[in-house]
Amino acid sequence: GENVEQHPSTLSVQEGDSAVIKCTYSDSASNYFPWYKQELGKRPQLIIDIRSNVGEKKDQRIAVTLNKTAKHFSLHITETQPEDSAVYFCAASTVIGGSTLGRLYFGRGTQLTVWP
Amino acid sequence: NAGVTQTPKFRILKIGQSMTLQCTQDMNHNYMYWYRQDPGMGLKLIYYSVGAGITDKGEVPNGYNVSRSTTEDFPLRLELAAPSQTSVYFCASSSTGKGTQYFGPGTRLLVL
Repeated sequence: GENVEQHPSTLSVQEGDSAVIKCTYSDSASNYFPWYKQELGKRPQLIIDIRSNVGEKKDQRIAVTLNKTAKHFSLHITETQPEDSAVYFCAASTVIGGSTLGRLYFGRGTQLTVWP
Repeated sequence: NAGVTQTPKFRILKIGQSMTLQCTQDMNHNYMYWYRQDPGMGLKLIYYSVGAGITDKGEVPNGYNVSRSTTEDFPLRLELAAPSQTSVYFCASSSTGKGTQYFGPGTRLLVL
């Protein structure tokens, strides 16, 4: 099955700096890559996603890039704010047996801390 | 529109007891999922369903069972609870297999 690796496991930045989280995946059939944010004690929530037919997607201070050849994708947060502090998970979706079953394989998460 | 709801929020079980974690969604989503999240770890898929009457195993199905008799409900059954099942359990749903997954608030389970 798919294997998603995520780095770093922890990341501390000063408010206003940029943060970058990187993920790699193993299954070349994967073509959907969402990012989830999980605040302490809360549920994971989708913040941005990218599909394999695009290389980059932006939403205000958040951007995701995808390199299908190298099988890696990254989350970029600019002008970080204390409320960006959370655990961020990347994920990849793979096709199984010819069916789009929509199973997501998650990375282990990155604890981002933004210091004021 | 409540989205995905889960009950209970928190439960303590003794070793060997059984319980059912409830999950309901009101978005008419076909796909539903159960994940567990251990402290400091990511999300691992337990079971999933692509529609009423259809379920399949995920990465860590041992010790659990599911059923899907309606589109809205996807209960997770724990038989003979073990300390290794101490975790936070999230239910999620999506409209299509590759669509956004919406998570419930989670059930925190402690097995002693």
